Amino acid sequence: QKEVEQDPGPLSVPEGAIVSLNCTYSNSAFQYFMWYRQYSRKGPELLMYTYSSGNKEDGRFTAQVDKSSKYISLFIRDSQPSDSATYLCAMTLIYNQGGKLIFGQGTELSVKP
Amino acid sequence: EAGVTQFPSHSVIEKGQTVTLRCDPISGHDNLYWYRRVMGKEIKFLLHFVKESKQDESGMPNNRFLAERTGGTYSTLKVQPAELEDSGVYFCASSPGTGRINYGYTFGSGTRLTVV
Repeated sequence: QKEVEQDPGPLSVPEGAIVSLNCTYSNSAFQYFMWYRQYSRKGPELLMYTYSSGNKEDGRFTAQVDKSSKYISLFIRDSQPSDSATYLCAMTLIYNQGGKLIFGQGTELSVKP
Repeated sequence: EAGVTQFPSHSVIEKGQTVTLRCDPISGHDNLYWYRRVMGKEIKFLLHFVKESKQDESGMPNNRFLAERTGGTYSTLKVQPAELEDSGVYFCASSPGTGRINYGYTFGSGTRLTVV
């Protein structure tokens, strides 16, 4: 069983839709949860960063962590064609000591005009 | 601020040959990481340098892979001899040292390695 499970998609939505991306994980010791966005032929770029359980909002993006269910989500409101990319969840045990990231497989998102 | 630079961006080599990938981290970043994505799989950790020292190399697949970080600056990842299963995208990332607020690693664009 993978440590982090993420539906690879692809997911196609019309412009303006609300997008929900999710990951589940098995290791209850994970403390730091991240969402990365990756455009084609580019490296992952950090979108959101959350410590432990709770919500975090940044513009059109909201990250949620439910440690009791070992489930994390990223919501994108008013999705735009420029949001079309692969979204990767990642998590780690020890963040500020430079802990290694455990990634999900990534979900490919396409937002149609 | 210049980002993480990797080269080559793409390399095609024959099985049995040697390939060296290079990563230049963001200046001043003590932490340097190598990750790999094999087609259809998730990005996986290979190893972590703190300055010139290997902090964690638990993800290195086997002894055909050798990573170095000269003087705590740039890093190289050598694959010798390359096998077909080594094909994938190799990412390098860097982050500031411990004790500093660290909101995320910065990844390079990756080196796409194809072994034929």
